[in-house]
Amino acid sequence: GESVGLHLPTLSVQEGDNSIINCAYSNSASDYFIWYKQESGKGPQFIIDIRSNMDKRQGQRVTVLLNKTVKHLSLQIAATQPGDSAVYFCAERQTDSSYKLIFGSGTRLLVRP
Amino acid sequence: ETGVTQSPTHLIKTRGQQVTLRCSSQSGHNTVSWYQQALGQGPQFIFQYYREEENGRGNFPPRFSGLQFPNYSSELNVNALELDDSALYLCASGRAPDTQYFGPGTRLTVL
Repeated sequence: GESVGLHLPTLSVQEGDNSIINCAYSNSASDYFIWYKQESGKGPQFIIDIRSNMDKRQGQRVTVLLNKTVKHLSLQIAATQPGDSAVYFCAERQTDSSYKLIFGSGTRLLVRP
Repeated sequence: ETGVTQSPTHLIKTRGQQVTLRCSSQSGHNTVSWYQQALGQGPQFIFQYYREEENGRGNFPPRFSGLQFPNYSSELNVNALELDDSALYLCASGRAPDTQYFGPGTRLTVL
């Protein structure tokens, strides 16, 4: 069935190091992918997106890579800071008439001081 | 800030009751989606409205219903509440087909 899953449920990194969060998706027809950050008690916050016609997109301290061959998505965070501690979700958008997003279960990022 | 607000922030109901949750979007957002997020899980799509009409629905029973209004606000109604309906309910809005932005959510507890 359709699904978006994450390889690691929890990732612990040292402050200042780079973080890489991975995600596998199952629907090769999905055309749009988004990474969200969710802090405790808050709604998901948009971080960065990428369309299926791209392989890489960079933002401020974040980079998203898309490998359509193996249906893999990753989020790289440079110089990880304590404020980056949160749960990170990848989501894929179906190419039907709606714009619904399919989320995975999330990866918790813990930043050690 | 996303410009998407939700009310109330917290709500406690008992089984069998009905609840209405509200969402207010930014001007110009023509789509609104509702998601249910159980503790420790990712959001699950309930349904979406585009220009005030339902434009897609997830695997939720008919007792979950919604409305979108011309003033960029929307409602999620849940009838005959069950214990498993306890969750964070999220509203997301945007201008199709662009990115959707989430509100802070309403935490519903069903006793």
